[in-house]
Amino acid sequence: GENVEQHPSTLSVQEGDSAVIKCTYSDSASNYFPWYKQELGKRPQLIIDIRSNVGEKKDQRIAVTLNKTAKHFSLHITETQPEDSAVYFCAAPGNFGNEKLTFGTGTRLTIIP
Amino acid sequence: NAGVTQTPKFRVLKTGQSMTLLCAQDMNHEYMYWYRQDPGMGLRLIHYSVGEGTTAKGEVPDGYNVSRLKKQNFLLGLESAAPSQTSVYFCASSQQGKNIQYFGAGTRLSVL
Repeated sequence: GENVEQHPSTLSVQEGDSAVIKCTYSDSASNYFPWYKQELGKRPQLIIDIRSNVGEKKDQRIAVTLNKTAKHFSLHITETQPEDSAVYFCAAPGNFGNEKLTFGTGTRLTIIP
Repeated sequence: NAGVTQTPKFRVLKTGQSMTLLCAQDMNHEYMYWYRQDPGMGLRLIHYSVGEGTTAKGEVPDGYNVSRLKKQNFLLGLESAAPSQTSVYFCASSQQGKNIQYFGAGTRLSVL
């Protein structure tokens, strides 16, 4: 099955600075890489995803980059704001296609005002 | 359109008791999932279903059973609860052919 490792487990950044969270995956069959955000006491929600046929995708202040050769992908948040404080999870499907996802262990991001 | 609804939201059990968690989705999704979330462990898949009447084991299935008798419902059962099953349980659903999973609000379960 797929193995997804996520780093760091906690991250604190000053408001306005950038934050980067990295994930590695093991199964070269993985072709879809989502990022979920979970605010305190809430449900995880998809914030951005990327498919293996592109190397980068942006949506306003967030972006995801993918390096298929090295089997890693990263979430980049620029101009961080207090509302970015949350736990972020990466995931990958392995060779199960769209049937299921394996999640990373999460990164708790704290934005310091 | 409520999305994914989980009941109950909170529950306290004594060791050995049984209970069923209910997940309902109104998006006509084929796939449904049960996860548990523990501190530092992320979201771990317990069981999942790719269609009515079918279920499959995930990463941590021991101590749990599931049923998908209707397409819109996915039930998670604990036959004999143990303190190790204290966790937050999330249900999710997705459309066949799409990877995006939509989560319910979660059930916080404590087993004493």
